[in-house]
Amino acid sequence: AQKVTQAQTEISVVEKEDVTLDCVYETRDTTYYLFWYKQPPSGELVFLIRRNSFDEQNEISGRYSWNFQKSTSSFNFTITASQVVDSAVYFCALSEAGTGGFKTIFGAGTRLFVKA
Amino acid sequence: GAGVSQTPSNKVTEKGKYVELRCDPISGHTALYWYRQSLGQGPEFLIYFQGTGAADDSGLPNDRFFAVRPEGSVSTLKIQRTERGDSAVYLCASSLGGRASGEQFFGPGTRLTVL
Repeated sequence: AQKVTQAQTEISVVEKEDVTLDCVYETRDTTYYLFWYKQPPSGELVFLIRRNSFDEQNEISGRYSWNFQKSTSSFNFTITASQVVDSAVYFCALSEAGTGGFKTIFGAGTRLFVKA
Repeated sequence: GAGVSQTPSNKVTEKGKYVELRCDPISGHTALYWYRQSLGQGPEFLIYFQGTGAADDSGLPNDRFFAVRPEGSVSTLKIQRTERGDSAVYLCASSLGGRASGEQFFGPGTRLTVL
């Protein structure tokens, strides 16, 4: 069965600190997709990144980077030099291609507070 | 271009009443999803449409919940005999093509409160 665990409920950092949000997933499928979404205080979820199970290359986009490790079933997200605008709830999500793949399972989220 | 819109933004109803929540997806998006988000939780999958048909409704909690998408665009989530436990934010998302790898675009949600 699909499962996504975000063990960190809340993280508080001071601006300019680096912060890593953890995500561990469970799946029996060999083909699956992992996502990160951001939910700012305004409420709408915003897509950040998608990785498929065959591509373990780490990715960097500006201050954001993602570390995908199949060996540990983890897909961690790092924000470098955090800013106040990064304050939001971040969700990791998983969908499996084998079951039709459209059912997306979200973790419980990590609330990030960045203080000035 | 317009994003996903949902109406109403807030709905307060009494236990036992019937409610309808509406979602307007992004034009041209064939896939549409409904989720329910309770306070402090991630979105919980309810149902997925590809075109007019419900391709996966395995997340609907019971038969009081039903959703339609008659013309493959606008969707309505219908809840009969509402219960206090149905109180949550109901999110709609759409994506292009509906593949598992597809990025989903979310609406602002409808906050349902059942008194």
